Amino acid sequence: DAGVTQSPTHLIKTRGQQVTLRCSPKSGHDTVSWYQQALGQGPQFIFQYYEEEERQRGNFPDRFSGHQFPNYSSELNVNALLLGDSALYLCASSLSLGQGYEQYFGPGTRLTVT
Amino acid sequence: AQSVAQPEDQVNVAEGNPLTVKCTYSVSGNPYLFWYVQYPNRGLQFLLKYITGDNLVKGSYGFEAEFNKSQTSFHLKKPSALVSDSALYFCAVSDNRDDKIIFGKGTRLHILP
Repeated sequence: DAGVTQSPTHLIKTRGQQVTLRCSPKSGHDTVSWYQQALGQGPQFIFQYYEEEERQRGNFPDRFSGHQFPNYSSELNVNALLLGDSALYLCASSLSLGQGYEQYFGPGTRLTVT
Repeated sequence: AQSVAQPEDQVNVAEGNPLTVKCTYSVSGNPYLFWYVQYPNRGLQFLLKYITGDNLVKGSYGFEAEFNKSQTSFHLKKPSALVSDSALYFCAVSDNRDDKIIFGKGTRLHILP
């Protein structure tokens, strides 16, 4: 049973560019959440997708957008990259059947903006 | 709005001694509480959770946590620390009104051989 997978592992971009990160949830999970983890910080919630729609959103600008596909996989897009967007981006999947279900995290994508 | 506080940036414990990593929380509704561990260059791994029921929750790798409603705390504990427990530990909270999970800033646990 594959866990949560993310691609790519590492990415280097230049300020102003756009980036797309990808996530495949754990088998059987239908909800995907994205987090940004800056160095030395805890994960910050970006948004959550369920049934191909954004269900929850954290305090992130509109430059951060996402998508969920019918197979539950998801993408995170960041436009007009800033140096401050450099971080580890984590994807987590869970079941939506009820609240309080733990999230399973992927290994993350390390984004460096130069 | 939910919030989580982990008051210690780092905790040092000798191998074989008991360990405690502290966490306090604030939520509007009934809390759902979680502990995760992160090893270097890895994603987060789920350790345990409290949803309802017994205040003492047992999880992976011999860890347990005690839910204290009056003190709004959910401290992580282990009776006998191992060097391999050295890692970054995160407490997280959501509530019954909102699936969004809020993480603390993390506590680095260092087990001394």
